[in-house]
Amino acid sequence: QSVLTQPPSVSAAPGQKVTISCSGSSSNIGNNYVSWYQQLPGTAPKLLIYDNNKRHSGIPDRFSGSKSGTSATLGITGLQTGDEADYYCGTWDSSLSAVVFGGGTKLTVL
Amino acid sequence: EVQLVETGGGLIQPGGSLRLSCAASGFTVSRIHMTWVRQAPGKGLEWVSLIYAGGSTYYADSVKGRFTISRDNSKNTLLLQMNSLRAEDTAVYYCARGDYYMGVWGKGTTVTVSS
Repeated sequence: QSVLTQPPSVSAAPGQKVTISCSGSSSNIGNNYVSWYQQLPGTAPKLLIYDNNKRHSGIPDRFSGSKSGTSATLGITGLQTGDEADYYCGTWDSSLSAVVFGGGTKLTVL
Repeated sequence: EVQLVETGGGLIQPGGSLRLSCAASGFTVSRIHMTWVRQAPGKGLEWVSLIYAGGSTYYADSVKGRFTISRDNSKNTLLLQMNSLRAEDTAVYYCARGDYYMGVWGKGTTVTVSS
């Protein structure tokens, strides 16, 4: 059971937009920065978004992040088949003194 | 080029010990917060441990008292000493640069704990 809650899967057609939610609490998302990672099949995770909404170097502006209260959202526009991957949110949890991740969301581009 | 390369994984019996290394290039490990993250087969990411540039360390409850994170500054390498290994420690272990977010990741090294 992950501290952060993500939907197990989302899907959308090529060219469409999708959002992935990440829900937490005041001890983690509510008072700390959120980051998002993409993990393509068989590869290491890659940082997409840090500090809630800042794109990491080289990440296209099709990817965006936002945070409101104790929830965060990753948005991907202009979906491509190459975006099919697992996506994870992460943040610091002040009560646990630990980094926590969501359980991951599998994106399927139909 | 900034790069991380993990080594030291393998097959180990329950109760055994293993030391993972993460060789860094393009930056100095001792000046940067560094993290270990693992991923069990077919599962999500699990944070393992963090060492701040100043030396403070943090551990997930699941490994506290069994794992030790450290640095070998002479080799610009991050280390993870793993003792009293259990079947549930079986995973790909990644080292990453950063603390609350990780901007650079290695390709990972596989640890299998089995008799």
